[in-house]
Amino acid sequence: GDSVTQMEGPVTLSEEAFLTINCTYTATGYPSLFWYVQYPGEGLQLLLKATKADDKGSNKGFEATYRKETTSFHLEKGSVQVSDSAVYFCALSDGRGSTLGRLYFGRGTQLTVWP
Amino acid sequence: KAGVTQTPRYLIKTRGQQVTLSCSPISGHRSVSWYQQTPGQGLQFLFEYFSETQRNKGNFPGRFSGRQFSNSRSEMNVSTLELGDSALYLCASYLQSGYTFGSGTRLTVV
Repeated sequence: GDSVTQMEGPVTLSEEAFLTINCTYTATGYPSLFWYVQYPGEGLQLLLKATKADDKGSNKGFEATYRKETTSFHLEKGSVQVSDSAVYFCALSDGRGSTLGRLYFGRGTQLTVWP
Repeated sequence: KAGVTQTPRYLIKTRGQQVTLSCSPISGHRSVSWYQQTPGQGLQFLFEYFSETQRNKGNFPGRFSGRQFSNSRSEMNVSTLELGDSALYLCASYLQSGYTFGSGTRLTVV
């Protein structure tokens, strides 16, 4: 079945360091891919998404490229800030457009950024 | 535009009791999904509703049930609560732009 594997945390970085969180997926079809972020005590916020191969999602300095050949969707940011400290989840959806689908989540990666 | 609203935010129940959680999706969103988040199992899919019909169900026992009303609001019910049902329950509504999650209901079973 469909599944997502992401880098185990925690990840601890200094402010302005480069961030990579690895994510690979297994899917039978052509899923959409997502990164969600969760701040303490809150729900999930969509960070970025990509719906087809070679698409690059980007938001707030974060980027991820949908790589079908390596079944990957790694999250990157060139210069992290203290405010980026949160838990990051990679996810895939087996739905299409207005059709519905469930989200399959990775286990999450805790990121802590020190000033 | 209001987001996804989940009530209550926090709930404490005793083993054996039942509980009902509520979710109001973003206006115009007709799809609602529910997820359970625990430290041990991570985020797990419970069910998905569209226009009052359950379209998809995760691998949870029959004690977990849900429904959706004509105004797209959804409820989930857990009967005969067990300690292991303690979790953050998240609701998401969906439109083509993607899934939007609520802040969740934190259920503690004692």
